[in-house]
Amino acid sequence: EAQVTQNPRYLITVTGKKLTVTCSQNMNHEYMSWYRQDPGLGLRQIYYSMNVEVTDKGDVPEGYKVSRKEKRNFPLILESPSPNQTSLYFCASSTGISGANVLTFGAGSRLTVL
Amino acid sequence: QQQVKQSPQSLIVQKGGISIINCAYENTAFDYFPWYQQFPGKGPALLIAIRPDVSEKKEGRFTISFNKSAKQFSLHIMDSQPGDSATYFCAARMGYSTLTFGKGTMLLVSP
Repeated sequence: EAQVTQNPRYLITVTGKKLTVTCSQNMNHEYMSWYRQDPGLGLRQIYYSMNVEVTDKGDVPEGYKVSRKEKRNFPLILESPSPNQTSLYFCASSTGISGANVLTFGAGSRLTVL
Repeated sequence: QQQVKQSPQSLIVQKGGISIINCAYENTAFDYFPWYQQFPGKGPALLIAIRPDVSEKKEGRFTISFNKSAKQFSLHIMDSQPGDSATYFCAARMGYSTLTFGKGTMLLVSP
């Protein structure tokens, strides 16, 4: 089944404790992206990657890092999480030709930072 | 920062009625306008999309109307059903890299 898989789905952590949210897609997509969803703010892009080793900032990149060493994986790293990073995070992917056209989203990772 | 303004924030429609969600944008460089549907506990999924050279696109009960001069587009759900209850996001794309989303509309279709 074609899908985007995120882990963990739920996580409670404390301020300052580094964490990584993994994202993997099995569709051979070139484009991958991370969004955060907050009530009343919709979906906001954190980082995106057009292909392996190519990443760029979205609208809200502060406090996050990403890497794209393999085509299928695009982990989101929070080096020193803070409570304002409590959110629902979505990873998404798309074919390279269409870029951000038709995004396939993962099921989401709900993060709580205490 | 590019913006897409979406309204209403929430909407209650009776079964069989028409649901209408509106979006407006400012940047004329946007070249693709999709709508995403999100059910509770799930990620958003592409519902329907339109390009600015088309004024209307229909897929089943879902229709996008696009007004290029007014920089507005809307989603119409005909014969709304309880199974349509979800959060709907409009979006706009510029180039290949970034999809900017509206803030979402929570639709509840009452039986």
